[in-house]
Amino acid sequence: AQSVTQLDSQVPVFEEAPVELRCNYSSSVSVYLFWYVQYPNQGLQLLLKYLSGSTLVKGINGFEAEFNKSQTSFHLRKPSVHISDTAEYFCAVSHSGGSYIPTFGRGTSLIVHP
Amino acid sequence: DSGVTQTPKHLITATGQRVTLRCSPRSGDLSVYWYQQSLDQGLQFLIQYYNGEERAKGNILERFSAQQFPDLHSELNLSSLELGDSALYFCASSASSLGNQPQHFGDGTRLSIL
Repeated sequence: AQSVTQLDSQVPVFEEAPVELRCNYSSSVSVYLFWYVQYPNQGLQLLLKYLSGSTLVKGINGFEAEFNKSQTSFHLRKPSVHISDTAEYFCAVSHSGGSYIPTFGRGTSLIVHP
Repeated sequence: DSGVTQTPKHLITATGQRVTLRCSPRSGDLSVYWYQQSLDQGLQFLIQYYNGEERAKGNILERFSAQQFPDLHSELNLSSLELGDSALYFCASSASSLGNQPQHFGDGTRLSIL
């Protein structure tokens, strides 16, 4: 079985500051990793995904994430956040090799203060 | 706009009642997933359909059922409703059932049980 841990339930940060949202996973097989963002009263939207290749993945809205296999992590980063980045962020993992349902973390609420 | 349409957006009903939630997947997507999102449980996978057939089951109660029709739209039926069923219900779709496919989420149906 696979699992995802988002270590912080809430991350407050000031506008224009850098931010890192942490995600660790456990799986006995190769994985695919995703970050989704959920704005208030909306569904989840894909921010970025890691399938294979370069471990540094760039996504939309200036976000990037780095896959670290030895530490089983996929942390999300942004060098300078905006008020509009205030949202809930979800890390998800699924495994390679056929049909499999992704497992989502509990989410991290990013709160950007002016 | 994810291309996934869910109706209705809000539903208010009473305990013991039955409701039907509807989802139209993104054009071309064959796989439909249903999730329940609540504050205490996070995002819980309920069930997946692929091209009309049930593909995977998660934490779906026996009082809940779903189906995917030939035109690929899906319905989630919730019966004998209890207060604890109050939650956001999301539908997501993907092109296939493979683990490397990102999911596209609708904006959800907010179900309130009085």
